[in-house]
Amino acid sequence: DGGITQSPKYLFRKEGQNVTLSCEQNLNHDAMYWYRQDPGQGLRLIYYSQIVNDFQKGDIAEGYSVSREKKESFPLTVTSAQKNPTAFYLCASSKGQFSNTIYFGEGSWLTVV
Amino acid sequence: RKEVEQDPGPFNVPEGATVAFNCTYSNSASQSFFWYRQDCRKEPKLLMSVYSSGNEDGRFTAQLNRASQYISLLIRDSKLSDSATYLCVVTNNNAGNMLTFGGGTRLMVKP
Repeated sequence: DGGITQSPKYLFRKEGQNVTLSCEQNLNHDAMYWYRQDPGQGLRLIYYSQIVNDFQKGDIAEGYSVSREKKESFPLTVTSAQKNPTAFYLCASSKGQFSNTIYFGEGSWLTVV
Repeated sequence: RKEVEQDPGPFNVPEGATVAFNCTYSNSASQSFFWYRQDCRKEPKLLMSVYSSGNEDGRFTAQLNRASQYISLLIRDSKLSDSATYLCVVTNNNAGNMLTFGGGTRLMVKP
């Protein structure tokens, strides 16, 4: 089945550690996104990529890094510089920059312990 | 001021009730509008797009008022399964068509 796969679904991190969240899509979509959601709040854009080997900062990029070496993959690294990383992280994709239809993965829950 | 604002709720309604949510947006250049549904601890899923002429999908009706910059969602004959958070989403084609999400309105339908 086509879709977006995020892993891991649950992740615990010690303070000071970097962690990488995986996002893979087999929808042949050009654009991919990472969002963060805090309890009771909407989604905030961390990074997005409209094409392979290119990505742009979103509204809250500080403390995060991404790469887009393959069309199918858009991993997100939460670095130790992110001061409050505990949140629900959602990866998404769309056909292209001006496609209004966006598809989400099931999300990854990151907790700092 | 947030770009997309919603009443967080929760809206507690009995089964069968009609409930309406409103959403306001601040960017007059916004061009596309959507309602997403998000179940607890799950990813958002597209419920319906919102058109200037209004649109209806079964028990759900969405309307857009560009002059006042607000979007509404009406749910008739509420079901227990309608309990979820409803996210208002707008895009601005001049800004790379990025989706901007409201904080969501939580609906709880009780028996």
